[in-house]
Amino acid sequence: DGGITQSPKYLFRKEGQNVTLSCEQNLNHDAMYWYRQDPGQGLRLIYYSQIVNDFQKGDIAEGYSVSREKKESFPLTVTSAQKNPTAFYLCASSINQGSTEAFFGQGTRLTVV
Amino acid sequence: AQSVAQPEDQVNVAEGNPLTVKCTYSVSGNPYLFWYVQYPNRGLQFLLKYITGDNLVKGSYGFEAEFNKSQTSFHLKKPSALVSDSALYFCAVRDSGAGSYQLTFGKGTKLSVIP
Repeated sequence: DGGITQSPKYLFRKEGQNVTLSCEQNLNHDAMYWYRQDPGQGLRLIYYSQIVNDFQKGDIAEGYSVSREKKESFPLTVTSAQKNPTAFYLCASSINQGSTEAFFGQGTRLTVV
Repeated sequence: AQSVAQPEDQVNVAEGNPLTVKCTYSVSGNPYLFWYVQYPNRGLQFLLKYITGDNLVKGSYGFEAEFNKSQTSFHLKKPSALVSDSALYFCAVRDSGAGSYQLTFGKGTKLSVIP
């Protein structure tokens, strides 16, 4: 069954801890994206990657880091430098053509406790 | 820079009535435009897209959207709303002339269909 898998679905973090959100896809897509969703603010781009071993900062990259060592995987680390990390995080992937739609995972809800 | 505006935070419509969810965009080149739907605590599902050609685009679940270049708009429409259409709707844009594939989203419009 093809698609994008995000794990875990719910994640709790203590203040000062780093946490890593997983995103895996078996769609053979080159491009992958991480978005943050907050109520009333829509989706804001954190990082994106158009090819293995390369990634670009989005609009709100501060306090986050990513890696793209494999085509299938694009993990996001929320570091202790991110001052307000509680949010819904969405991973997406697409073919590397501007006209193609992105496919989304089911999201990870991160809560700082 | 590319941007999307969804001027209505919420749209209420009676079941069986036509619905419209508004979207305007700004890009430097030609736009690729997309509509997505999100149900609570879920990811986004693709509904339809405009790339080129016919200004009226048909998509999933009976939705359609009309591209208007002069008004830089891409409004989502459905002739007869269902209660099950109640969800959060996002418009998104890519600049076809840009070097990257960055997809920019609007803030979303919550659609409530009243029985």
